[in-house]
Parts: sequence; C-alpha cells; structure tokens
Amino acid sequence: ILNVEQSPQSLHVQEGDSTNFTCSFPSSNFYALHWYRWETAKSPEALFVMTLNGDEKKKGRISATLNTKEGYSYLYIKGSQPEDSATYLCAFPFTGGGNKLTFGTGTQLKVEL
Amino acid sequence: DAGVTQSPTHLIKTRGQQVTLRCSPKSGHDTVSWYQQALGQGPQFIFQYYEEEERQRGNFPDRFSGHQFPNYSSELNVNALLLGDSALYLCASSGGDREWNEAFFGQGTRLTVV
Repeated sequence: ILNVEQSPQSLHVQEGDSTNFTCSFPSSNFYALHWYRWETAKSPEALFVMTLNGDEKKKGRISATLNTKEGYSYLYIKGSQPEDSATYLCAFPFTGGGNKLTFGTGTQLKVEL
Repeated sequence: DAGVTQSPTHLIKTRGQQVTLRCSPKSGHDTVSWYQQALGQGPQFIFQYYEEEERQRGNFPDRFSGHQFPNYSSELNVNALLLGDSALYLCASSGGDREWNEAFFGQGTRLTVV
C-alpha cells in the first residue's frame, strides 16, 4: 500500500507571505507526482504533473520541485493572496496510470487579509 | 467545454438502499475513474473504466460497482448502503492512462446515508 504524506495539515498566512508545503511519497517505482488545488465548492484542479527528478514547474506565483531519489516534492506560493486559499493535494499514480491516484490528505491553506 | 459533470449533486439514502451516481467525462476523454472522499481524508481511488471495462480497482468491496457506456459516460453503483458510505464521490476523466495524464474532476456527489 502506497503512502503519500503531506505537511503541514493546515496553514494560516497573511496576504503577501510566501509559503511552502511538502509531499512525501515512495521513492521506489516512481511514475509521476501530481499536484492539485481544491477550492471550496469547486472541483479539484491540476496544478502540475511532474515526472523527472529535479523537475521544477511554475504557474504564476506557484512553483513546485521534485526529488524522486529521496521521495519528496515541495510546492511554493510566493506572495500569497486570498484567492490562493484552498486545499492543496499531491497524488501519486500507482501502477503507472495517471488517473489511478493515491492522494495525500492535503494541506489546507488560508490566506488572511 | 462543459468539463466533467456529475449528478446528482446531493443525495440522502437510508441504510440498506442502493444508489447510482452518474458522470459525464470531459469532451474527448475516454477514461473515467471514481474516487471517494471521506471527511478529513484525501480522495480514495475506487475503480477506473476504459473501453467499457473495469481496468483497475482500489480497496473497495464488491458492493461498489460501475459501468461505462459507449459514449464514455459512467455510473457508480453502491448496494446495501452503510453509514460509512457517506462521503463525497468524485468522478475524474483523463485523455489517456499514462502517468503524465492529469485527471479532470467533477464537483462531486455528496452522499449521506442515514
């Protein structure tokens, strides 16, 4: 059974703060690592799919890094805004399929004015 | 593009009853997976359908079954409902089954079993 762990469980930051979260996953049999953002009352939405060790991806103020050898990924948000408030989930596709995901429990981010 | 649509949005059922949840995938997608999200947990993979067949199954009992139609839409059926089946059920579609294929999720069906 795969274990995908995320920390912290929740985070409260002030507008303008930069923040980061961690996702830990099994380093053996690595296929890819997915990050999703889930805003309240909406659908989870893919942020990044990372496949190569050392990958760095960026979308606006959000970026992510990947270390497959040690089994972790970091998600960074620079200059947090209230609209960044959401639950951030990482997911590990088992058996190599992109839509057969094992999710972590998520990091709930709240950005306050 | 309507994206992934699920129906109904909310449902209340009694223990022992049966329920059917429906999902229409994003246009162009042929692979549909179902996930269960219980309170305080991440979504848990139930099963995946491709070419009208169940291709992979997570750790869920046989009370959970599904179907995929020729137009790629899908149904999730749960028999003999238990209180513990109360959860948000998410459908996700993808345009393939490779590890880099991101999943596109619907907004979910909130099932309450009383």
